[in-house]
Amino acid sequence: AQSVTQLGSHVSVSEGALVLLRCNYSSSVPPYLFWYVQYPNQGLQLLLKYTSAATLVKGINGFEAEFKKSETSFHLTKPSAHMSDAAEYFCAVTNQGAQKLVFGQGTRLTINP
Amino acid sequence: DAGVTQSPTHLIKTRGQQVTLRCSPKSGHDTVSWYQQALGQGPQFIFQYYEEEERQRGNFPDRFSGHQFPNYSSELNVNALLLGDSALYLCASSPALGGGTQYFGPGTRLTVL
Repeated sequence: AQSVTQLGSHVSVSEGALVLLRCNYSSSVPPYLFWYVQYPNQGLQLLLKYTSAATLVKGINGFEAEFKKSETSFHLTKPSAHMSDAAEYFCAVTNQGAQKLVFGQGTRLTINP
Repeated sequence: DAGVTQSPTHLIKTRGQQVTLRCSPKSGHDTVSWYQQALGQGPQFIFQYYEEEERQRGNFPDRFSGHQFPNYSSELNVNALLLGDSALYLCASSPALGGGTQYFGPGTRLTVL
């Protein structure tokens, strides 16, 4: 079975500061990993994905994530936070040929002016 | 290019009633997955449809059923509604060989009174 743990249900940073959202996964097969963002009262928007190519993945809105197999991690970062980054972020895992995404509980990102 | 669309946006039902939610996939996608997102939680996989057949099912009771039409659109039906069925229901579409990348619609907010 696959699972995802997002460390920190709520992260608060100042505008312009580094954003770091943590995600650890468990998978018995090579994983595919995703980060999605959810703005209030909206669906999920894909930020970026790892599907066994380059371990450093760049996504939209200046976000990137690094796949570290030895640490079973896929942390999301952004060098400089913007007010518009305030949202809920979800890490998810699946694998090649699988049908379902398994999500973490989410991390709410707050940006302080 | 229209993304994933869902209808209705909001729905209020009472316990014991039945509800049908609808989803149209992104152009070029033939696979539809449904997720339930309770307040403050990550999405939970309900089931996935491909070629008008249920391909995989999550840990949801038989009160939850679905259908996929020849044009790849899909319906989620929930019978004998319970208060605990109140949630945001998300539809996601993907190409059959898309490597697991699912694109989400805006969701339907179901409230059961």
